Amino acid sequence: ELKVEQNPLFLSMQEGKNYTIYCNYSTTSDRLYWYRQDPGKSLESLFVLLSNGAVKQEGRLMASLDTKARLSTLHITAAVHDLSATYFCAVDGKTSGSRLTFGEGTQLTVNP
Amino acid sequence: DVKVTQSSRYLVKRTGEKVFLECVQDMDHENMFWYRQDPGLGLRLIYFSYDVKMKEKGDIPEGYSVSREKKERFSLILESASTNQTSMYLCASSFSPGLAAYEQYFGPGTRLTVT
Repeated sequence: ELKVEQNPLFLSMQEGKNYTIYCNYSTTSDRLYWYRQDPGKSLESLFVLLSNGAVKQEGRLMASLDTKARLSTLHITAAVHDLSATYFCAVDGKTSGSRLTFGEGTQLTVNP
Repeated sequence: DVKVTQSSRYLVKRTGEKVFLECVQDMDHENMFWYRQDPGLGLRLIYFSYDVKMKEKGDIPEGYSVSREKKERFSLILESASTNQTSMYLCASSFSPGLAAYEQYFGPGTRLTVT
């Protein structure tokens, strides 16, 4: 059974600081997705990573995928308050048809 | 732009009522999914469908059923609502050209309260 673990689960940081959220998964996969969820809202797609070494950047967020280590990172550069949200990674377990397996989510709070 | 819509943003029902949650997508996606989201429990898959009239149980199907009569529409049914089904319900859809799991697009969610 595919397991997807994110850490940290809760992250409080100051504006202007850098930090990384980690997403580890337990079985081979080369398709990984990052989503953002604002309080009371639905999930919004952030990044699609489809191969080993894939790197995507959007503004202050950068995501990467290392399929050999079964690890994806979401790096936050010079955080701003607007980045406060919950971030989920989701992995294609390949053996599970069209399902994605989601991590528990990382709740990020950026303080002024 | 993919659009996934859900019939209600907020819903209040009484214990024992039959509840229908509707989801419609406009991108001709083969796959559709129903999740529930509760604090501290993340997203849990209830049911999904990979084609019209086809369905598969997810991780927590008990107390729920689904219907997919048309490709664009996927309904979640609570046969007899109970208070422990109070939750946020999220619908999603995805493209499916093979066995790979593609990016899922989510609807706005329905916050259901059962009293």
